[in-house]
Amino acid sequence: KQEVTQIPAALSVPEGENLVLNCSFTDSAIYNLQWFRQDPGKGLTSLLLIQSSQREQTSGRLNASLDKSSGRSTLYIAASQPGDSATYLCAGRLGSNYKLTFGKGTLLTVNP
Amino acid sequence: DTGVSQDPRHKITKRGQNVTFRCDPISEHNRLYWYRQTLGQGPEFLTYFQNEAQLEKSRLLSDRFSAERPKGSFSTLEIQRTEQGDSAMYLCASSLVGTGHNEQFFGPGTRLTVL
Repeated sequence: KQEVTQIPAALSVPEGENLVLNCSFTDSAIYNLQWFRQDPGKGLTSLLLIQSSQREQTSGRLNASLDKSSGRSTLYIAASQPGDSATYLCAGRLGSNYKLTFGKGTLLTVNP
Repeated sequence: DTGVSQDPRHKITKRGQNVTFRCDPISEHNRLYWYRQTLGQGPEFLTYFQNEAQLEKSRLLSDRFSAERPKGSFSTLEIQRTEQGDSAMYLCASSLVGTGHNEQFFGPGTRLTVL
């Protein structure tokens, strides 16, 4: 069974701290991986997409990496702000499927 | 607004009733996906369409669920004889074939509560 796992399940940090969210997946035949943000009761906002041929992608204070051989991806958030507080989900397009397989998410709280 | 839209945003119904949700994808996106998300979990895939063809259905999609995408534009998801276990957020996403990476963009979701 293809699985995506995210650790930690919850993270609380003071404002200004740099932080890393982790995502692991079981299928080395990953096609691409997306990181999403979800605010309470809302839909998903796409943050970054990394194709299997890439090692990292950057957008503003966000940097996502992908290591296919170890089955891991990380989302690095620099200089965190209270507005970054949300649930962060990673999702892989695994194998030949077009569907996304999601982790359960990491609930991030940035304290002012 | 050129994003994915969903209607209604919230639906409360009694057990045994039928409900229908609508999703309008980003214009020109030819793939459309439905996912279901329960509290504390990540979204789970239900089904997807390429144009009007339904190409894959999850085992989660029981016989009480049906999805359509007539003319390859908007899509509807119907749940018949709703059960309390159907209570969840139903998310729709769309993507464009040919971009190489198939980035999926999500709508705001429809929250279903079955009493």
